[in-house]
Amino acid sequence: DGGITQSPKYLFRKEGQNVTLSCEQNLNHDAMYWYRQDPGQGLRLIYYSQIVNDFQKGDIAEGYSVSREKKESFPLTVTSAQKNPTAFYLCASSILVGIGTEAFFGQGTRLTVV
Amino acid sequence: GENVEQHPSTLSVQEGDSAVIKCTYSDSASNYFPWYKQELGKGPQLIIDIRSNVGEKKDQRIAVTLNKTAKHFSLHITETQPEDSAVYFCAASIKGGTASKLTFGTGTRLQVTL
Repeated sequence: DGGITQSPKYLFRKEGQNVTLSCEQNLNHDAMYWYRQDPGQGLRLIYYSQIVNDFQKGDIAEGYSVSREKKESFPLTVTSAQKNPTAFYLCASSILVGIGTEAFFGQGTRLTVV
Repeated sequence: GENVEQHPSTLSVQEGDSAVIKCTYSDSASNYFPWYKQELGKGPQLIIDIRSNVGEKKDQRIAVTLNKTAKHFSLHITETQPEDSAVYFCAASIKGGTASKLTFGTGTRLQVTL
């Protein structure tokens, strides 16, 4: 089945630790995105990528890092510099950034800092 | 950058009634307006979208209208059913350029009561 797979579904992290969230897609999409979702704030863009080995900061990139070594994969690292990392993280992909196409979302990873 | 406002934040309707969710956007260059439905613990899914060269689009019980002059667009759900209960997000996107991306509203929690 084609789609986007995020793992793990739930993740617990101790303060001061880095953690990496996985996102894999088999839709052959060029563009991939990471969003953060907090109650009452909708979806806010962290990073996005249009092509392998290239990515751009979104609106709330501080404390996060990404890589795009393969077209299918766009992992997100939440670093210890992120002051309030507890949130629901969503990965998405689309054919191309910027021409108004449907973004397909994964099922999300809920990160909790303990 | 683009700013999308969405109202209301919560909406309760009786089964069979209609529901309307409204969004406004700030950037007149935005030209793609999708609506997403998010069920509890899942990623958002596209339910309908509209482009700036169209004023209205309908898909069975769901319709979206767009007023470019006023920079607002609305989602209309008729004959609501309990399975319509979810959080709905509007979004706006500007065509073209490396900085293009979806900007989301803050979401509307729709509750359809029996």
